[in-house]
Amino acid sequence: SYVLTQPPSVSVAPGKTARITCGGNNIGSKSVHWYQQKPGQAPVLVIYYDSDRPSGIPERFSGSNSGNTATLTISRVEAGDEADYYCQVWDSSSDVVFGGGTKLTVL
Amino acid sequence: EVQLLESGGGLVQPGGSLRLSCAASGFTFSSYAMSWVRQAPGKGLEWVSAISGSGGSTYYADSVKGRFTISRDNSKNTLYLQMNSLRAEDTAVYYCAKGTDSSGPSEYFQHWGQGTLVTVSS
Repeated sequence: SYVLTQPPSVSVAPGKTARITCGGNNIGSKSVHWYQQKPGQAPVLVIYYDSDRPSGIPERFSGSNSGNTATLTISRVEAGDEADYYCQVWDSSSDVVFGGGTKLTVL
Repeated sequence: EVQLLESGGGLVQPGGSLRLSCAASGFTFSSYAMSWVRQAPGKGLEWVSAISGSGGSTYYADSVKGRFTISRDNSKNTLYLQMNSLRAEDTAVYYCAKGTDSSGPSEYFQHWGQGTLVTVSS
């Protein structure tokens, strides 16, 4: 089965840039999607197809994907960005796969 | 506006059964595959099952295969998850999620319900 690996936590100061990675075997050949989840709330799609943003998602959120690592980048981080972030792919052998999640802490 | 409203969660004993429902509105229900995704307390997201828009194709995670059954009633715009032989490890918030097209499982999920909590405990 396909496995996605995320760091458990990332910390960043307000106004700085946060980078959350998602590792997987040749993940660059797959489409990666990212979700933000705040406590007690349902996940929200923030990036799809590696780097596309749904309407309503700030331009501060961007994504990239190459080789064995996909990255969610959040520029000019705000306190409201503090949340759990999950990467996700579709794999022909595993169907839908989520990463373990990364807790973003805004210092 | 897309709305997904789950119901049917609750406390059930190990080995018991429960049926979850997800009422959909704001889109042409039969045109989209639907999925169930769960989240155990304090844990990450786990995809559980998916069904095509027509209902003719179903997909399951290995962890629930043979115990859970996904179905849909397009005339009622409702998605279901029949859960049998429940285990403590099935305890989770169960979300329904709208797919991106009629086939499934979907590439990603733009719309999610608020979830319903299932607790398996004696």
